[in-house]
Amino acid sequence: AQSVTQLDSQVPVFEEAPVELRCNYSSSVSVYLFWYVQYPNQGLQLLLKYLSGSTLVESINGFEAEFNKSQTSFHLRKPSVHISDTAEYFCAVTPDNYGQNFVFGPGTRLSVLP
Amino acid sequence: EAQVTQNPRYLITVTGKKLTVTCSQNMNHEYMSWYRQDPGLGLRQIYYSMNVEVTDKGDVPEGYKVSRKEKRNFPLILESPSPNQTSLYFCASSFGGAVEQFFGPGTRLTVL
Repeated sequence: AQSVTQLDSQVPVFEEAPVELRCNYSSSVSVYLFWYVQYPNQGLQLLLKYLSGSTLVESINGFEAEFNKSQTSFHLRKPSVHISDTAEYFCAVTPDNYGQNFVFGPGTRLSVLP
Repeated sequence: EAQVTQNPRYLITVTGKKLTVTCSQNMNHEYMSWYRQDPGLGLRQIYYSMNVEVTDKGDVPEGYKVSRKEKRNFPLILESPSPNQTSLYFCASSFGGAVEQFFGPGTRLTVL
C-alpha cells in the first residue's frame, strides 16, 4: 500500500517570493508521482507528473518538482509566486503497474499575499 | 468540449434515503474513479473501474456501490446514506493508469 504525507497544511507567502510545498511518500513498489492543483470551488487539475526519465519535471506555469528516490520525496517549487497561484495543492502517487489505485496527500493550501 | 460531468452538483438528503450521483465522460476513457474529499484528509478513492463491467474497491468503499455498464457512465450509489457520508465527491476519468486524470466539478452531499 502507498501513503502520502504533505507536512504543511497551510503555506502563506508574499507575492513574488519563492515557495516550496513538501511531499513525501511511502511505497513498497515503484510509483508514479503527481501534483494536482484545486482552485477555489473547482475540481482538480494536473499540474505536473513524474513517470520516468529526468527527475526534474516542470509545468507550463513555472512550477517544478524533483523526484528524489532515496528520500522518497517529490517537493514542488516555484521561484516567484503570483496571486493567481492561491489554491490547494495535492500530491498523489500510484503504483507503476498501470493500476488505478491513486493515493492523494491531505493537501497544502497556498495563500499568496499582496 | 472534453469533460466529465456530475449530477447533481448539490444534494441534501436524509439518513437512509437511497441516492445516485451520476458521472459521465465524453473522452472515451477506459478508467473512471470516484473520490471523496474531506478537510484535512485530501481525496480518498472510493471505487475505480478499469473498463466496462470491471470495478474494484479503493481505500474507502464501505457504504457505496458502483456500476459500469457503459464506458461513458460510472454512477455512485448510496443505498442507505448516513451523516458520515456528508462530503464533497469527485468523479475522474483517464485513458490509463499512469496518465492524467480529468476531474468533474464535484458534488456536495449533505446527509442529515
